[in-house]
Amino acid sequence: LAKTTQPISMDSYEGQEVNITCSHNNIATNDYITWYQQFPSQGPRFIIQGYKTKVTNEVASLFIPADRKSSTLSLPRVSLSDTAVYYCLVGELRRALTFGSGTRLQVQP
Amino acid sequence: DAGVTQSPTHLIKTRGQQVTLRCSPKSGHDTVSWYQQALGQGPQFIFQYYEEEERQRGNFPDRFSGHQFPNYSSELNVNALLLGDSALYLCASSSGPVGGSEAFFGQGTRLTVV
Repeated sequence: LAKTTQPISMDSYEGQEVNITCSHNNIATNDYITWYQQFPSQGPRFIIQGYKTKVTNEVASLFIPADRKSSTLSLPRVSLSDTAVYYCLVGELRRALTFGSGTRLQVQP
Repeated sequence: DAGVTQSPTHLIKTRGQQVTLRCSPKSGHDTVSWYQQALGQGPQFIFQYYEEEERQRGNFPDRFSGHQFPNYSSELNVNALLLGDSALYLCASSSGPVGGSEAFFGQGTRLTVV
């Protein structure tokens, strides 16, 4: 399984763009990159998934360089409600989800 | 449309006891996975059920067992509880044995072993 490395914590202010980078040097050809968000005492919530280049949905964007050894989750104009733990996952679509320790994002007013 | 529902939300057990946790998947989903999340850590995969069979299993001892019913709901059983089994137990459902794409998680069951 490809191991992921992401910052333990990040701080931001309301209205700013937040970029969380995840390193996955050993990503395999069949691996996809998926990001989940988790609030305290709740289950993780799917944010976005991609294989290469850029993916955008109504919540976030995911940037994946050509070598796929890293990825960046971009959250535009964060609000206080975006304070959560963000997990970067790498793996095959038909395999179990492997979570790391995640990045704790704190958004200040 | 109900999402993934888990019961109970909280429970307290004594060391050595057995516990059963329940999960109803999101409507239209036929695959259920169970995860254990210790305080301050990411969820750890326990196992996945599809077509009433265990399809994948994480690095958990045999004290952890499960079952899936014909209506796709699932149970997680833990025998001989240890203090270290205290955690948030999460159930996730998906359509088909697909673990890497969009899995929907329930709110979890907070188990405390004393």
